[in-house]
Amino acid sequence: ETGVTQTPRHLVMGMTNKKSLKCEQHLGHNAMYWYKQSAKKPLELMFVYSLEERVENNSVPSRFSPECPNSSHLFLHLHTLQPEDSALYLCASSQDALAGDTQYFGPGTRLTVL
Amino acid sequence: GNSVTQMEGPVTLSEEAFLTINCTYTATGYPSLFWYVQYPGEGLQLLLKATKADDKGSNKGFEATYRKETTSFHLEKGSVQVSDSAVYFCALFDAGNMLTFGGGTRLMVKP
Repeated sequence: ETGVTQTPRHLVMGMTNKKSLKCEQHLGHNAMYWYKQSAKKPLELMFVYSLEERVENNSVPSRFSPECPNSSHLFLHLHTLQPEDSALYLCASSQDALAGDTQYFGPGTRLTVL
Repeated sequence: GNSVTQMEGPVTLSEEAFLTINCTYTATGYPSLFWYVQYPGEGLQLLLKATKADDKGSNKGFEATYRKETTSFHLEKGSVQVSDSAVYFCALFDAGNMLTFGGGTRLMVKP
């Protein structure tokens, strides 16, 4: 039990669909992260939120839209994705964003774009 | 910028064999170093860490020593088990930056 949950665990969507990934952390942390894990690039940091404010956005296409309504929840809204966006999307949390604290990961959402 | 380089996998070993997974890094400051492990179907979890030169991190029989002179943080275990089969990620944290991960090394242990 890592204290970070993600839903759904698997998602198949067409290129014209709109869907959202959800992440929830039960650890009282202030920072949350979205990572993309694929065969081409094993672990890419996408977005970082600290106290609900975005502090990092690593040149991610606008078809990915994050939302952090409070320090426990993080969403990744998806629209008009491409097949190359198929990957495992991992959420993580840590006590603070820039302090080198241990990151706690969820199990990920396996996304397939048809 | 900061970077982490790991040996390419997969690494295939028999049970009870000795394991070494090499990790070297480039950093401008004095980073903390980490090993994370990802078991099949799960997210990453911290395995061990070291925050300064010559520190040794250890957990579950795994060890890694922070070697500043060779900028390395190699992961070792004296006797691997089938349950150690996973992907191992080396990572560094440098003040003011985000965690930087290596490419991961898949370990497969056969009975």
